[in-house]
Parts: sequence; C-alpha cells; structure tokens
Amino acid sequence: GAVVSQHPSWVICKSGTSVKIECRSLDFQATTMFWYRQFPKQSLMLMATSNEGSKATYEQGVEKDKFLINHASLTLSTLTVTSAHPEDSSFYICSARTGTGVYEQYFGPGTRLTVT
Amino acid sequence: AQKVTQAQTEISVVEKEDVTLDCVYETRDTTYYLFWYKQPPSGELVFLIRRNSFDEQNEISGRYSWNFQKSTSSFNFTITASQVVDSAVYFCALSEAGAGGFKTIFGAGTRLFVKA
Repeated sequence: GAVVSQHPSWVICKSGTSVKIECRSLDFQATTMFWYRQFPKQSLMLMATSNEGSKATYEQGVEKDKFLINHASLTLSTLTVTSAHPEDSSFYICSARTGTGVYEQYFGPGTRLTVT
Repeated sequence: AQKVTQAQTEISVVEKEDVTLDCVYETRDTTYYLFWYKQPPSGELVFLIRRNSFDEQNEISGRYSWNFQKSTSSFNFTITASQVVDSAVYFCALSEAGAGGFKTIFGAGTRLFVKA
C-alpha cells in the first residue's frame, strides 16, 4: 500500500522558535496533501489543504501566517510552525491523496510537537 | 456543511463482549464517503473501512462489521467478541466534495477500553 512518512516523529522546541515538519509520499505522487492537528484526547481537526504548486487553503480559524504550508513537489509538503508557543503543542498529522479519488488518501504517522 | 457525530465518548467492556460504536453524519452532497479509523496509543491512524454513499451494503470483516443506513444517516461499527487489543480510539470520518476536491473531517472519536 501507499506510504506517507513524516519527519520528525517528535520534536521539542523553545517558545518563539520555528519548527518545520515534513510530509512525504514515498511511493506515489500526491496532488493534494492535508494537514491535521490533534490535541490530547481530541479529534483530528483539518488545518489546511494544499495542492502541489499552489497556495494552501486554510480552514476557518487557522492562522495562515503562523502555520506556513509549502507543497513544492508531488511528494513533499512542509508545515512550518512559526514563533511557536506552548499552546501550539500538539500532534500534527499529514495526509496525502493521489489523483482525485477520495479513497486514495493515506495518512502519515504523525509528528508530536512540544513547545517549552 | 459536513458534520460527524460520535455521541459515545468512552465505552468500557469486558473481553468477549460485543460492542457497537455509533456514528451519525450530516451532508448536503449525494456523493460522499464514510470511513472508520482506529487510533492506538502510538497515534498512527489505522484505516478500517471506506463506504461510498451509493453502497449501502453492510460489510463484515472478521470480528468487525459495519451497518450503513442512509435513512438515518448512520454508519455504525460493531466489534464482536472484543479483545484487549481492540482498545483504542475509533474515529468515524466523512469526505464530501469541496471547492478543492474531497476533504475528510473526523468525528470526535470514541475511546474503547476492553478489559481482560
């Protein structure tokens, strides 16, 4: 099956610094990637949708200047949390979709971010 | 707007009991997809099933079965003869078409505890 990887799997950073999380589709080309955030004991909340080569579409309430998403190639999307604060500590999960078929959507293993 | 409701926050059962996890959804589209995912403590989502809106056939896979009823907008999940390894958070999810293609939203999740 298709594999999506994320790097790093966990990261600790100091308040005020920026952190970049990578999401890669390993054996397929992802025309669309999604970024989700999951707080402890809560559900996955969709943050943004990005299509390769174009700007990401952010969900209501998500600060696009704080969560920078780049989808420069068909196999890589990055999420940069700028000027991170403790309230940004969360589990970030990416998902990649190939073509336009909704069922061809695969999830990465997640990245746990802790901001101290 | 799409919405997924999992009214059961936590369920606790004893091993070998059957348990049903409820999922009710809302959508204005006639074409949509429903999913169930399992999230063990590791955090990585495990895909269990996908159903499209035109296929109301119930499905059985080993100890797992799913009941899809469009008339009540429900897509319930039953685990027969539960086992300790079934302990996890289970998410019901819905994908419907949007401006940028299909996007998937998740219900709040049901945390299942199976005691030996």
